[in-house]
Amino acid sequence: DGGITQSPKYLFRKEGQNVTLSCEQNLNHDAMYWYRQDPGQGLRLIYYSQIVNDFQKGDIAEGYSVSREKKESFPLTVTSAQKNPTAFYLCASSSTGPSTDTQYFGPGTRLTVL
Amino acid sequence: GQQVMQIPQYQHVQEGEDFTTYCNSSTTLSNIQWYKQRPGGHPVFLIQLVKSGEVKKQKRLTFQFGEAKKNSSLHITATQTTDVGTYFCAGGRGGADGLTFGKGTHLIIQP
Repeated sequence: DGGITQSPKYLFRKEGQNVTLSCEQNLNHDAMYWYRQDPGQGLRLIYYSQIVNDFQKGDIAEGYSVSREKKESFPLTVTSAQKNPTAFYLCASSSTGPSTDTQYFGPGTRLTVL
Repeated sequence: GQQVMQIPQYQHVQEGEDFTTYCNSSTTLSNIQWYKQRPGGHPVFLIQLVKSGEVKKQKRLTFQFGEAKKNSSLHITATQTTDVGTYFCAGGRGGADGLTFGKGTHLIIQP
């Protein structure tokens, strides 16, 4: 089946630890995105990538880092510099531009920092 | 930066009643997209509107894009329990700016 997978579904970490969230897609999409969703809130863009080996900061990039070494993979690292990391993290992809094309979302990872 | 405001934040309706959510952008949009997120799930694309004044229908759902391409609405006729969830609008300005999502409207249906 084609789609986007994120793992794990639930993740618990101690404060001060870095953690990496996985996102893989087999839709052959060029563009990939990371969003953060807090309870009762909308989606806020963390980072996006339109092509391999290139990525751009979104609205709330501080305390996060990404890499795009392969077209199908876009991992997100939540660093210890992120002051309030507990949230629901959603990965998405689209075939072309970030502003014009439908975005397909993965199932999300719920990160809890203790 | 671009802001997309969505109202209401919560809407309680009796099953069978109609529902409308409104989306307003601070800037002119190249397109607007609507997504639905079921409780505990992830956003799923519903539709994209591109043209000024455009109206699209999907069964009981009607989507409109304003003449000035700064506002949009989603109307559901005769709600059903399967309509429960959060409806997000997302505005695009074209180019590499990305989509800006509204905070969503949570639809709660009482049987």
